[in-house]
Amino acid sequence: EAQVTQNPRYLITVTGKKLTVTCSQNMNHEYMSWYRQDPGLGLRQIYYSMNVEVTDKGDVPEGYKVSRKEKRNFPLILESPSPNQTSLYFCASSWTASNSPLHFGNGTRLTVT
Amino acid sequence: KQEVTQIPAALSVPEGENLVLNCSFTDSAIYNLQWFRQDPGKGLTSLLLIQSSQREQTSGRLNASLDKSSGRSTLYIAASQPGDSATYLCAVRGSGGSNYKLTFGKGTLLTVNP
Repeated sequence: EAQVTQNPRYLITVTGKKLTVTCSQNMNHEYMSWYRQDPGLGLRQIYYSMNVEVTDKGDVPEGYKVSRKEKRNFPLILESPSPNQTSLYFCASSWTASNSPLHFGNGTRLTVT
Repeated sequence: KQEVTQIPAALSVPEGENLVLNCSFTDSAIYNLQWFRQDPGKGLTSLLLIQSSQREQTSGRLNASLDKSSGRSTLYIAASQPGDSATYLCAVRGSGGSNYKLTFGKGTLLTVNP
């Protein structure tokens, strides 16, 4: 089944403890991106990747890192999480950056205390 | 900076009614516009994608239109069903100069009552 898989679905952590949220897609998509969704603010893009080894900042990249060493994986890294990074995170992918539908994972709900 | 607005924020209708959801955007230099559905606790599911050169797209009971010059799109849902209850989001993709950035509206929460 074609899908975008995020892990974990739920994560509770403490301030400053490094964490990684994994994202994997099995559709051979070139484009991948990360979003966070917050009440009243909607979906905001954190980072995106046009292809392997090509990544760039979105609207809210501060406090996050990404890497794209393989086409299928696009992990989101929080080196030193803070409470303001408590949010619902989504990974998404599409064939190209421009003219194909975006496929979303089921989300990761992160709580930082 | 692109801004996307969806009106209304919430809508409640009886089953069987035809309805229209609205999306407006401030910068008409877009590559395409996409409508999504989000169910509680789930990710977004793509419903329709309209390229900037197109006027509308249809899928089953859904019809999306695009008027790029006026910065508007509508999602028409025919003969609504309780299973259509969800949050509907529109997103516009900027043209190449903005790295194809996708800007989302905040969504319309639709409730279809049996």
